Amino acid sequence: GQQVMQIPQYQHVQEGEDFTTYCNSSTTLSNIQWYKQRPGGHPVFLIQLVKSGEVKKQKRLTFQFGEAKKNSSLHITATQTTDVGTYFCAGDKPGTYKYIFGTGTRLKVLA
Amino acid sequence: EPEVTQTPSHQVTQMGQEVILRCVPISNHLYFYWYRQILGQKVEFLVSFYNNEISEKSEIFDDQFSVERPDGSNFTLKIRSTKLEDSAMYFCANRAGVGTGELFFGEGSRLTVL
Repeated sequence: GQQVMQIPQYQHVQEGEDFTTYCNSSTTLSNIQWYKQRPGGHPVFLIQLVKSGEVKKQKRLTFQFGEAKKNSSLHITATQTTDVGTYFCAGDKPGTYKYIFGTGTRLKVLA
Repeated sequence: EPEVTQTPSHQVTQMGQEVILRCVPISNHLYFYWYRQILGQKVEFLVSFYNNEISEKSEIFDDQFSVERPDGSNFTLKIRSTKLEDSAMYFCANRAGVGTGELFFGEGSRLTVL
């Protein structure tokens, strides 16, 4: 079945350092989404990418969708303590109604 | 901001008992999902529901699970005979419709099976 992997599994950074998480799907996706889950919370939608090679920015966050629509990345510039949480990508396989979540990257930011 | 409401927030049950988890979706949303998350692990797809029927289901969603939307508003997940490994956080999620992919998640229902 479809698998979506993320690396790294965990990342500890000093406040102000950059952070990147990578997402890889075993199958081509129609689109990819990114979610953030705070400790004890529920996933909250960040962004959706649809086009091959697409890049989107939200303040300090930069999202990319690979040319083959099988991988994606999230980069955070100058992390803050409010960035703490687990970041999940979620892929929507063409012709299906389900979003498969990646394995997640847990980010800790040390003040 | 629109909200997805889930009840109960926490349920403790004995193995073999039936459990019903409830979700009040966002009004006018058309697509409904149940996901589960075992503590500290990834968010796993269970089932998607559209137009009053199941669209997709995962291998986890076996005969012990069922979903329905009995009154056109509440969306329920029933587990007929709970097992220890069903202990997890269960999230309901909604999507507005075709062309908009954003999933709105509820706060979740924590199920503990003893």
